[in-house]
Amino acid sequence: KQEVTQIPAALSVPEGENLVLNCSFTDSAIYNLQWFRQDPGKGLTSLLLIQSSQREQTSGRLNASLDKSSGRSTLYIAASQPGDSATYLCAVMNSGGYQKVTFGTGTKLQVIP
Amino acid sequence: EAQVTQNPRYLITVTGKKLTVTCSQNMNHEYMSWYRQDPGLGLRQIYYSMNVEVTDKGDVPEGYKVSRKEKRNFPLILESPSPNQTSLYFCASSPPGGGSYNEQFFGPGTRLTVL
Repeated sequence: KQEVTQIPAALSVPEGENLVLNCSFTDSAIYNLQWFRQDPGKGLTSLLLIQSSQREQTSGRLNASLDKSSGRSTLYIAASQPGDSATYLCAVMNSGGYQKVTFGTGTKLQVIP
Repeated sequence: EAQVTQNPRYLITVTGKKLTVTCSQNMNHEYMSWYRQDPGLGLRQIYYSMNVEVTDKGDVPEGYKVSRKEKRNFPLILESPSPNQTSLYFCASSPPGGGSYNEQFFGPGTRLTVL
C-alpha cells in the first residue's frame, strides 16, 4: 500500500526566505505526483504536476523535483511571501493498472512579515 | 468556465437518512474521484472512476456508493450515513494524457455533518 509522508508537519519562516518542503512515498510505481496548496476552510489549488518521466517542473517562484528511485519529491519556494502561508499537500497517483491517489498529510507553512 | 461543481456545499443530516452528494465537471475529463478530509488524517480517496461505467475502490470505500453513468457526473451516495462519516468531501476530475492522467482539478468541497 502506498504511503506518503510530508516533513515537516509545520514550518514558520520570515518573509523573503527560500524554503524546501519534502514529500516521500514508499512505492515508486507512480504515474505522477502533484503539489497542491490549501488555504484554511478552502478547497485545493493545484500548483505543479510532475509526470513519472519528468525530473522537475517550474512555475514562477515554485520548483518541484521528483526522484522516483528514492521515492522523494521536493517543493522549493523562492523568496517566500506572507501570501504563501497555507497548507501544502503532495499527492501521488499510482500506476500498474489502477490509478489510486494517495495524499500526504501536508506541511502547514506560515510566512511571517 | 471550466470547473468541478459539488452540491450541496453544506449538509446536516441524521443517522440513517440516505443522501447523495452530486459532482459534475464540464471539462470532458475521464477520471473522477471522491475524497474525504479529516483532521489529522488528511485527504483519503473513497472511490474513483477511470471512465463511464468504470469505478473502483479507493482506501476508504466502506459506507459509500458511487455510479458513473455519464462522463460529466459522479455522484457519491451514502445509503445509511453514520456520525463517523462527518467530514469534508471533495470531488476531483482529471483529463487523460499519454497513457497517464494529468493534473486533478478539485471541486469546492461539501461539508457533511451526520448527527
